[in-house]
Amino acid sequence: DSGVTQTPKHLITATGQRVTLRCSPRSGDLSVYWYQQSLDQGLQFLIQYYNGEERAKGNILERFSAQQFPDLHSELNLSSLELGDSALYFCASSVQGGGEEKLFFGSGTQLSVL
Amino acid sequence: DAKTTQPPSMDCAEGRAANLPCNHSTISGNEYVYWYRQIHSQGPQYIIHGLKNNETNEMASLIITEDRKSSTLILPHATLRDTAVYYCIVRQTDSWGKLQFGAGTQVVVTP
Repeated sequence: DSGVTQTPKHLITATGQRVTLRCSPRSGDLSVYWYQQSLDQGLQFLIQYYNGEERAKGNILERFSAQQFPDLHSELNLSSLELGDSALYFCASSVQGGGEEKLFFGSGTQLSVL
Repeated sequence: DAKTTQPPSMDCAEGRAANLPCNHSTISGNEYVYWYRQIHSQGPQYIIHGLKNNETNEMASLIITEDRKSSTLILPHATLRDTAVYYCIVRQTDSWGKLQFGAGTQVVVTP
């Protein structure tokens, strides 16, 4: 158990809909990362937050947004969903978010867009 | 961050050492070598990392060549539970976020 909690584990929805994925980092970790893993793209970095502020951005679509709340949990919002958004979404956390740090990953949310 | 090259797959017999190579010929002086693994659709798991010196922990050993252009992850006594995709990643010491995963090496440990 990594200590990172993601909910829900599975999500099935239709095209055009909006969903919210939730992540609770390990106790004491200030930085949260979101990754997307699809069969054809592998693990893609989406975005990182540190103590409530956006720190780094990767290949995140404009239809996607994220935020980190004062209690340090994070949410990833996916809107106007398309079939291609079906993927495993992982959240990870680390103490600070820079340099020589280990990332601890949650077990993921499997999103299926039908 | 420097790009890494790994073989797409390798097999290993249970109980034997598994040696996973990684090429990172464009690595710069302030970049660490990290290894993570992912067991079938679970979240990636940190294994080990190093800068210049060889490193060992309870999971594995990391051997970095003197010129730092390549490294080898050693699983000393592979078990069936070590079957996973292993990712070699190079990350700058002052880098925020952006742990870039490549395709990795699919390791299959057989009885």
